[in-house]
Amino acid sequence: DSGVTQTPKHLITATGQRVTLRCSPRSGDLSVYWYQQSLDQGLQFLIQYYNGEERAKGNILERFSAQQFPDLHSELNLSSLELGDSALYFCASSGNRGRTDTQYFGPGTRLTVL
Amino acid sequence: GIQVEQSPPDLILQEGANSTLRCNFSDSVNNLQWFHQNPWGQLINLFYIPSGTKQNGRLSATTVATERYSLLYISSSQTTDSGVYFCAARLNTGFQKLVFGTGTRLLVSP
Repeated sequence: DSGVTQTPKHLITATGQRVTLRCSPRSGDLSVYWYQQSLDQGLQFLIQYYNGEERAKGNILERFSAQQFPDLHSELNLSSLELGDSALYFCASSGNRGRTDTQYFGPGTRLTVL
Repeated sequence: GIQVEQSPPDLILQEGANSTLRCNFSDSVNNLQWFHQNPWGQLINLFYIPSGTKQNGRLSATTVATERYSLLYISSSQTTDSGVYFCAARLNTGFQKLVFGTGTRLLVSP
């Protein structure tokens, strides 16, 4: 158990819909990262938050957005869903000791868009 | 950006055999992690190893940062070792994101 929790575990929805994925980082970790794992793109970084502020953006679509709340949990919002958004979405967290921290991954949310 | 390559892409072993997985990266890194993705999709942390050698039971890893590669050794493999092994690296400067390799898919048969 990494200490990072994600809900829900599975999500099945239809094209055009909007969903919210939730992540709670390990106790004490200030950074939260979101990654997407799809069959054709592999594991890719989407976005990072540090103590409530956006720190870095990767290949995140404009239809996707995220935020980190004062209690440090984070939500990833995916809207106008397309078939190609079906993927495993991981959240990871790391501490506040600088760039060399280990990133610990949650169990993931498997999104299926029909 | 940084490129991370893994080899071999696929590996089939008999239970009890040893194996070496390789990860090459194109730039200086300050974070190199190895993960095991089990058949249920979970990413399990194996090692945080930006340099040097570490061992954990039947697994060990070595990173030679100056030559930009890392190796994961699995000894006396078991069927539960099956899954996909990923290495991921983070650049020495700039963003903290991890860049993942494409993985090595390991199947250990009884």
